[in-house]
Amino acid sequence: NAGVTQTPKFQVLKTGQSMTLQCAQDMNHEYMSWYRQDPGMGLRLIHYSVGAGITDQGEVPNGYNVSRSTTEDFPLRLLSAAPSQTSVYFCASRKAAGNEQFFGPGTRLTVL
Amino acid sequence: AQSVTQLGSHVSVSEGALVLLRCNYSSSVPPYLFWYVQYPNQGLQLLLKYTSAATLVKGINGFEAEFKKSETSFHLTKPSAHMSDAAEYFCAVSEQVDMRFGAGTRLTVKP
Repeated sequence: NAGVTQTPKFQVLKTGQSMTLQCAQDMNHEYMSWYRQDPGMGLRLIHYSVGAGITDQGEVPNGYNVSRSTTEDFPLRLLSAAPSQTSVYFCASRKAAGNEQFFGPGTRLTVL
Repeated sequence: AQSVTQLGSHVSVSEGALVLLRCNYSSSVPPYLFWYVQYPNQGLQLLLKYTSAATLVKGINGFEAEFKKSETSFHLTKPSAHMSDAAEYFCAVSEQVDMRFGAGTRLTVKP
């Protein structure tokens, strides 16, 4: 199993550009989440999904969109990037509520 | 709403000394609690988890944590620190569908 994979590993955007961060898992997990990590703030939940077709907002959803058309994939879209979105983004998945989350390696995004 | 507070953003100990990282949680239902570790430029790795089976939970690398409902705490300990324990540690709480993390504690181990 590859576990949770994320692409790209690094990305530089200009303000106003759009892009999609990719996340995939091969563990047949129903629950998937996106977090951003900023110094001194830990991991903050952006969006999460409890199954294909079902998504919900987390703590900091503004500026981000998600969709979940398959169990495996959970892409995160930035529609119009802003410097405040400079961060490290982690995707995670778990089998069910109460189970541990498995994390991807992260995407380091810089918005100029 | 569920939340986690980690007391102390930086903790420094000498090699061989006791490690104590503090975590307090807020939850409206019996929670699931976790400790994760993050080494530089890496993702998060599970250290241990509490799921109500036992209040004292043992994890990897000699770490353990005790769930105290009366204090709403889930502090992480290790009797003797190693240089390799230097990392950032995150406490997390999960009620149902999502998981929330604390701000993290960076552990430094001095020789």
